[in-house]
Amino acid sequence: DAGVIQSPRHEVTEMGQEVTLRCKPISGHNSLFWYRQTMMRGLELLIYFNNNVPIDDSGMPEDRFSAKMPNASFSTLKIQPSEPRDSAVYFCASSFTASTEAFFGQGTRLTVV
Amino acid sequence: GIQVEQSPPDLILQEGANSTLRCNFSDSVNNLQWFHQNPWGQLINLFYIPSGTKQNGRLSATTVATERYSLLYISSSQTTDSGVYFCAVGDPRSNDYKLSFGAGTTVTVRA
Repeated sequence: DAGVIQSPRHEVTEMGQEVTLRCKPISGHNSLFWYRQTMMRGLELLIYFNNNVPIDDSGMPEDRFSAKMPNASFSTLKIQPSEPRDSAVYFCASSFTASTEAFFGQGTRLTVV
Repeated sequence: GIQVEQSPPDLILQEGANSTLRCNFSDSVNNLQWFHQNPWGQLINLFYIPSGTKQNGRLSATTVATERYSLLYISSSQTTDSGVYFCAVGDPRSNDYKLSFGAGTTVTVRA
């Protein structure tokens, strides 16, 4: 398996624009996570899906953020409208079950100017 | 939530040296992982080790769950070992799925 695949690797956008980040988890994994990494807060969980269903979105910062998982092989994280404080590295991770080893994608570095 | 403390925050090593990184956590855990974030930002899995000892090449890890700590050993360090090492533990109040990361140990290996 190629591992967790994220796209794009880098995104630069203007404040107010919509941003969509994409993730393909490892085949056979039933758990998918979106994390955000910033200098100030480190790595923090945004949302957790189990079998394509959102289980815990308590880490989503505000209504501007939304995430979907329409099938077992694809998830999106959308920010609309984007703001400069959203600039961060966003990681997608998947695991076979919720509490087993999590594998991270290469991340998307988002810059909002 | 669960607290994760890593030490030391920074470590500078001469190539070939050995080192030990420590992770203390505030609650019993069923999910503990060590990651290496390389200079390109990629998070690389090192160990899934909620208890016991594992070894992978020059790296090994030990978790003493009853005493709430884990250790990562790097032997014969190489410049490619440079980067940030994170300990992450699953919060038992979230059925262990929510990983809480420590602040990391930044390792610099000099040739």
